[in-house]
Amino acid sequence: AQSVTQLGSHVSVSEGALVLLRCNYSSSVPPYLFWYVQYPNQGLQLLLKYTSAATLVKGINGFEAEFKKSETSFHLTKPSAHMSDAAEYFCAVRPPSNTGKLIFGQGTTLQVKP
Amino acid sequence: EAGVTQFPSHSVIEKGQTVTLRCDPISGHDNLYWYRRVMGKEIKFLLHFVKESKQDESGMPNNRFLAERTGGTYSTLKVQPAELEDSGVYFCASSQEATRGIQYFGAGTRLSVL
Repeated sequence: AQSVTQLGSHVSVSEGALVLLRCNYSSSVPPYLFWYVQYPNQGLQLLLKYTSAATLVKGINGFEAEFKKSETSFHLTKPSAHMSDAAEYFCAVRPPSNTGKLIFGQGTTLQVKP
Repeated sequence: EAGVTQFPSHSVIEKGQTVTLRCDPISGHDNLYWYRRVMGKEIKFLLHFVKESKQDESGMPNNRFLAERTGGTYSTLKVQPAELEDSGVYFCASSQEATRGIQYFGAGTRLSVL
């Protein structure tokens, strides 16, 4: 069965520092990959998605992620953290099948310190 | 354009009672999904509607959960009778296409069963 692993349930960085949130998936066939963000009291918002085009995907708010098939990874990065980036981040995969369901990782809470 | 809306935002009930959650998808989205996040766990798929038909209900926990989407517009998720382990946040999402479309999420309904 497909699974998604996010390393680190909590990540803390200083404002201006690099943000790196890790995501690994298990699949023999590259799935579609997504990063969502949830700010307090809001729904999940799509940050970016990988759908077998360019391996480096740019998203909103300065985030990007790189698909590495050899490592089955889709890590999320941002060069310089801002206080407003504090939120919970979810990596998700959609298996290459006819159904639309998403399989999520456990989420990573990002704390940004001043 | 309105996003995905869910009602209520928070529900507190006692074990054995019945609760009905409602989701209004984005207008024109044929695909509607229900997910659940139990505290400390990942977001898990419950089921997927295409218009009024259940496309995939493989994630429904047991027969105490009943989802409907009459007329292919809004959807309801009824839990009867509720158990303690049903507590969590229930998310609804909608998309135009199942396999390639972006899923847009509501803010969720937080269900507390006491």
